[in-house]
Amino acid sequence: AQRVTQPEKLLSVFKGAPVELKCNYSYSGSPELFWYVQYSRQRLQLLLRHISRESIKGFTADLNKGETSFHLKKPFAQEEDSAMYYCALSGMGGGGNKLTFGTGTQLKVEL
Amino acid sequence: EAQVTQNPRYLITVTGKKLTVTCSQNMNHEYMSWYRQDPGLGLRQIYYSMNVEVTDKGDVPEGYKVSRKEKRNFPLILESPSPNQTSLYFCASRQTPGLAGGNEQFFGPGTRLTVL
Repeated sequence: AQRVTQPEKLLSVFKGAPVELKCNYSYSGSPELFWYVQYSRQRLQLLLRHISRESIKGFTADLNKGETSFHLKKPFAQEEDSAMYYCALSGMGGGGNKLTFGTGTQLKVEL
Repeated sequence: EAQVTQNPRYLITVTGKKLTVTCSQNMNHEYMSWYRQDPGLGLRQIYYSMNVEVTDKGDVPEGYKVSRKEKRNFPLILESPSPNQTSLYFCASRQTPGLAGGNEQFFGPGTRLTVL
């Protein structure tokens, strides 16, 4: 079975402070990990994926297979980063490459 | 514009009154899914479809039905809605997993359903 855990429901930081949204996963094979973001009253959209090794809107995430983690980081939080963030794992589930989401972390950036 | 659309966006109904939420995508994607989003529970998959006439249960299928008669459409049917189905519903689609870009999932705007 594949599982994604986001231990924090809410993370509140001040503008300019570093941000780290935690994500741990459980999967026996080689997973693909993603971060999706949902801004207020908008649809979910892909933020980044581990295979791309890219930085989007200043966010990065490194897959750590030893710790089974895929934490999302940004050195300096901006007010517009306030949103709901979901970590997701794609693995070979019964549905063929099932995408499993964590419960999400609400990021609030305060001035 | 490549997109996933859902209708209606908002719906208030009463217990037992059958309803259908439509979903359509114009990206020629094989794989489509329905999710419900609830506070503290994140997104949970209700049903998915790997192609036309191929559907299967997700994690929380009870009380829901789907059909996939055409590649672009994947309606969600609630035969007898109950208050515990009050939620925010998202349809999503993606290319066949394994192909380039196959794992990026595109979401619809959501349908907020209230069952009284």
